[in-house]
Amino acid sequence: EAQVTQNPRYLITVTGKKLTVTCSQNMNHEYMSWYRQDPGLGLRQIYYSMNVEVTDKGDVPEGYKVSRKEKRNFPLILESPSPNQTSLYFCASSRTSGVTGELFFGEGSRLTVL
Amino acid sequence: GENVEQHPSTLSVQEGDSAVIKCTYSDSASNYFPWYKQELGKRPQLIIDIRSNVGEKKDQRIAVTLNKTAKHFSLHITETQPEDSAVYFCAATGVSSKLTFGKGITLSVRP
Repeated sequence: EAQVTQNPRYLITVTGKKLTVTCSQNMNHEYMSWYRQDPGLGLRQIYYSMNVEVTDKGDVPEGYKVSRKEKRNFPLILESPSPNQTSLYFCASSRTSGVTGELFFGEGSRLTVL
Repeated sequence: GENVEQHPSTLSVQEGDSAVIKCTYSDSASNYFPWYKQELGKRPQLIIDIRSNVGEKKDQRIAVTLNKTAKHFSLHITETQPEDSAVYFCAATGVSSKLTFGKGITLSVRP
């Protein structure tokens, strides 16, 4: 089954404790991206990757890191989480590097930073 | 960069009525315009999309229209049903090949 898998789905952590949210897709997609969703602000892009070893900042990259060492994986790293990073995070992938086709979303990861 | 705006932020319609949701975009070079539906507690999912060389596209009860001159595109839902209640996001892919989302509109269908 074609899917985008994120882990963990729910996480409560404390300020400053490094964490990684994993994202994996099994569709051999070139493009992967991370979004955060906050009430009233919609889906804001954090980072995206057009292919292996190619990553770029989205609209709200501060406080986040990513890597794309393999085509299928695109982890999101919070080196020192802060309460303003409490949010619902979505990973997504698309077949082509220019997003002119369907974006497939993972189920979301709800992160709370205390 | 691209700026995509949706107004209003909420829309309430009576079951059976039509709903129209409008989006505007800023980058005249944008060439791809998808609409995503997000049900409560679920992930966003593509419901329909349109490319810049097409003015209208239909799929059963939903349709999307594109006006490139005015830089706006609209989602039309006919014969609304309670299961149409959700958040709808419009988006646009600009010259940078980056997909930019609007802030979303919450559609409520009253039974």
